[in-house]
Amino acid sequence: QQQVKQSPQSLIVQKGGISIINCAYENTAFDYFPWYQQFPGKGPALLIAIRPDVSEKKEGRFTISFNKSAKQFSLHIMDSQPGDSATYFCAARRGSARQLTFGSGTQLTVLP
Amino acid sequence: EAQVTQNPRYLITVTGKKLTVTCSQNMNHEYMSWYRQDPGLGLRQIYYSMNVEVTDKGDVPEGYKVSRKEKRNFPLILESPSPNQTSLYFCASSPLQGARNEKLFFGSGTQLSVL
Repeated sequence: QQQVKQSPQSLIVQKGGISIINCAYENTAFDYFPWYQQFPGKGPALLIAIRPDVSEKKEGRFTISFNKSAKQFSLHIMDSQPGDSATYFCAARRGSARQLTFGSGTQLTVLP
Repeated sequence: EAQVTQNPRYLITVTGKKLTVTCSQNMNHEYMSWYRQDPGLGLRQIYYSMNVEVTDKGDVPEGYKVSRKEKRNFPLILESPSPNQTSLYFCASSPLQGARNEKLFFGSGTQLSVL
């Protein structure tokens, strides 16, 4: 079965700090790597995404770093805020069927 | 407002009693999908549909059925629910063309408990 391994399971960061969540994949057929953010009681929402031909993508305080040779990618949240407290899922998509394989999730808590 | 609507939000049932979770989207999206979310396992795809009358299995389809008779609706059917189907379920949709074709829009979820 296709797998995307995500770590850590939970993360506690002080306000203003950097939050880093890591993901690793096995299938080289994956062609799109999004990150989804989920608040309690809500469905996941797309946060940021990257394609494997790019090594880094930045949107505001959120950055994806992508290492194709290592088959790893990570989410960096700079200047973390209490409002960033949520569960974050990495994912990888394969093929034209838009099938996403999700990581197991990271519960981020940013302390005020 | 563009949205994916799931009903019910919460559902408690007993083993073997057929149930349907409805999903509707008002964005004219071709692609729709069902996921289940379990602690430590993330979201796993149950079924997906690329368009009307076109459905296919995801990673965990056992015990579930779907149908896509209309573009906006994609109900999830549990013919004989079992306790291992207790989970948080999400419906999602996406266009297949255009600039936003890579973004999945999720509903707010259905928490199902099978006793």
